[in-house]
Amino acid sequence: DTAVSQTPKYLVTQMGNDKSIKCEQNLGHDTMYWYKQDSKKFLKIMFSYNNKELIINETVPNRFSPKSPDKAHLNLHINSLELGDSAVYFCASSRRQGEGEQYFGPGTRLTVT
Amino acid sequence: DQQVKQNSPSLSVQEGRISILNCDYTNSMFDYFLWYKKYPAEGPTFLISISSIKDKNEDGRFTVFLNKSAKHLSLHIVPSQPGDSAVYFCAAGGSGTYKYIFGTGTRLKVLA
Repeated sequence: DTAVSQTPKYLVTQMGNDKSIKCEQNLGHDTMYWYKQDSKKFLKIMFSYNNKELIINETVPNRFSPKSPDKAHLNLHINSLELGDSAVYFCASSRRQGEGEQYFGPGTRLTVT
Repeated sequence: DQQVKQNSPSLSVQEGRISILNCDYTNSMFDYFLWYKKYPAEGPTFLISISSIKDKNEDGRFTVFLNKSAKHLSLHIVPSQPGDSAVYFCAAGGSGTYKYIFGTGTRLKVLA
């Protein structure tokens, strides 16, 4: 039974399109995250939600909009996709905010052409 | 400005020997450090952590050492096994920041 799941695993789309990535955790954790791993392998936090409340919002273009309908789900919607958005996006969760031990999903590889 | 650096992109070690992975950080406010392991096409998996009040933490074959004055931590794997072949990320965070900064990873290859 997958602890943190993401869909889709792969996403290929054209510039200018809008796309969403979904994330669900069944661990009962309070906090969820979105990370971006770019071509240089930097794994950078984008957003963090705690009990559906936005806690961290790094300097991410406002084309990226996270939505947390409940504490088990954190989705990422991206408008007007650009070539530079191509990356692997990881969802993660932790029991509480600020906790370093995080459980990651398998990642979504987004390719923008 | 990369606050957490892993200067060795790759490391090869013979099975049974010790693997030492290194990590340096620049922010003296960091007080909690972690190592994650990542296999291809999977997300990172938590391995071991250490608080700044300690200088060593051990879990089975894995030991993390922290040298606060040098702003350096290392992960020792003894003995190394082929299944340890993966990318290892170190991460650092500070109290109240709610976020952790990751290094770029070191790819470990354990040769049978």
